[in-house]
Amino acid sequence: GAGVSQSPRYKVAKRGQDVALRCDPISGHVSLFWYQQALGQGPEFLTYFQNEAQLDKSGLPSDRFFAERPEGSVSTLKIQRTQQEDSAVYLCASSADYSNQPQHFGDGTRLSIL
Amino acid sequence: DAKTTQPNSMESNEEEPVHLPCNHSTISGTDYIHWYRQLPSQGPEYVIHGLTSNVNNRMASLAIAEDRKSSTLILHRATLRDAAVYYCILGQGAQKLVFGQGTRLTINP
Repeated sequence: GAGVSQSPRYKVAKRGQDVALRCDPISGHVSLFWYQQALGQGPEFLTYFQNEAQLDKSGLPSDRFFAERPEGSVSTLKIQRTQQEDSAVYLCASSADYSNQPQHFGDGTRLSIL
Repeated sequence: DAKTTQPNSMESNEEEPVHLPCNHSTISGTDYIHWYRQLPSQGPEYVIHGLTSNVNNRMASLAIAEDRKSSTLILHRATLRDAAVYYCILGQGAQKLVFGQGTRLTINP
């Protein structure tokens, strides 16, 4: 079956531009997570949705970062007025329910800000 | 968030067993021990998880110390495709994963 799909796979933007990154989770998965991974580091948590509700956004680094999941399936991470330090791989993960189910990750979007 | 400690890197030979250690001395009674791995240019991949008892699946085995302050991920017969960064993570329920630096595993042919 299909795994977590992220698009685009690569994104290059100029500093100051807005970008939108898409995540298609595994069908029926309740929980959806976004992580940011800088080069050579482990992923860092950004935000968490349970269905359409954003329950935790404590990891979003600034108010330029915004995430939504309006119908409880596809999610979009938007970064406004991008800066060079936003360059990273953005990973999306989904899991089946509320308990200790594994998180299934997409292969991420590599964002480069020039 | 409970913290784990792993060696930065390990090396092994193809077709030999690999034992990846993880220390988690501050683990709470309800923390599960999760292992994920990340191959180059891919997202992390779930390997195994457990609470108290040792666990086996098609990918690996997880041996958990009786006091739960440490655990070991066992790859029974390493292949070149097992070369990855392995992360040991503590968590409860549908929580965010807190990744450390992990252990970079190199497999020699």
